[in-house]
Amino acid sequence: DTGVSQNPRHKITKRGQNVTFRCDPISEHNRLYWYRQTLGQGPEFLTYFQNEAQLEKSRLLSDRFSAERPKGSFSTLEIQRTEQGDSAMYLCASSLRARASPDFGPGTRLTVL
Amino acid sequence: AQRVTQPEKLLSVFKGAPVELKCNYSYSGSPELFWYVQYSRQRLQLLLRHISRESIKGFTADLNKGETSFHLKKPFAQEEDSAMYYCALSQEGHSGGSNYKLTFGKGTLLTVNP
Repeated sequence: DTGVSQNPRHKITKRGQNVTFRCDPISEHNRLYWYRQTLGQGPEFLTYFQNEAQLEKSRLLSDRFSAERPKGSFSTLEIQRTEQGDSAMYLCASSLRARASPDFGPGTRLTVL
Repeated sequence: AQRVTQPEKLLSVFKGAPVELKCNYSYSGSPELFWYVQYSRQRLQLLLRHISRESIKGFTADLNKGETSFHLKKPFAQEEDSAMYYCALSQEGHSGGSNYKLTFGKGTLLTVNP
């Protein structure tokens, strides 16, 4: 499968724990996006990278959230001190250039107990 | 602020019937509109975009700037069209121009009955 991949696919954690998700974009894609989708809602933009630079962050991304893309390839999204409200599907997407609509990964479903 | 509204959470039609999934938007700039589809247990995928003006899987959508709408239509629904459909709007990014940061509607679950 040469599409966007995300790991893990499912994560169950207890409130207060830290979690980290990984996204591997399509290899030549230099733009990478993180979205969050809660039940009954469409995906909501969290943050965006062009190569290794994080160019935009949503107000949804509180200081407990941090995203990195250290070498302009894979990206990680870390949530510290998780809360029950963080339970959601976290989607990663990538695109080759500004005029290309992004390809989405399968998502990581987070459940915070 | 930009917003995408899909007024129907659920839509059920019979096979062979016409189908229209509604999408309205609000955006002060010049929007780019998309329809994404998510089949059961599959990832979100692009169905069509307004600038392409093409028909995919028999679906079409016309951007109506006067009514700020981008409704998705298909004249004869098929059972395999059953899926979740999301309308999305692309807004200008940090450095100007469209960087494909998308604003999604809440989605419409289409069920096509045999």
